[in-house]
Amino acid sequence: GQQLNQSPQSMFIQEGEDVSMNCTSSSIFNTWLWYKQEPGEGPVLLIALYKAGELTSNGRLTAQFGITRKDSFLNISASIPSDVGIYFCAGTYNNNDMRFGAGTRLTVKP
Amino acid sequence: EADIYQTPRYLVIGTGKKITLECSQTMGHDKMYWYQQDPGMELHLIHYSYGVNSTEKGDLSSESTVSRIRTEHFPLTLESARPSHTSQYLCASSALRRTGTDTQYFGPGTRLTVL
Repeated sequence: GQQLNQSPQSMFIQEGEDVSMNCTSSSIFNTWLWYKQEPGEGPVLLIALYKAGELTSNGRLTAQFGITRKDSFLNISASIPSDVGIYFCAGTYNNNDMRFGAGTRLTVKP
Repeated sequence: EADIYQTPRYLVIGTGKKITLECSQTMGHDKMYWYQQDPGMELHLIHYSYGVNSTEKGDLSSESTVSRIRTEHFPLTLESARPSHTSQYLCASSALRRTGTDTQYFGPGTRLTVL
């Protein structure tokens, strides 16, 4: 089915380091989305990708929609303490049904 | 930035009480959703709506019910709350883009604790 495998589950990094996380599936998705969630809040949309091969940046964040439409990655450059949170990927398929990954928990040590 | 609101933000109630979680959006989005999320875990879709008078059950079975009488309003009701209902409830809305895809925007969530 349209299951998303998000990795890694968690990351502990030093401030200033770059971060990379990804989502993969055995199924094709029409859209890939990346959200960030902080404790006690709802997910906030970071980047939306609508075409295979699309590479989009939002400040220090860069995300790509895989050519095969079965994967996407999110990179964060020069991490800072406020990057801490859980990052979720999500993909839409069929008639805009959506699936979420299990999340990547990011911890940034000052 | 999306304008979607949820109230209350936090709710602690006793077993057996009836509760309604409110969700409103001011963007005129047709589609609205309810997700259930345990802290730090993945989101599970419990209800969604394509528009007024449309309600559908999501992937995760839930004892809650929803209604969609107005486009901007999508309340979720638990007739008799139990401790197993303790969780965070997230509301989202979306509108179809010209490309045929939609993007969901989330409210801040309601943290429900049932004693």
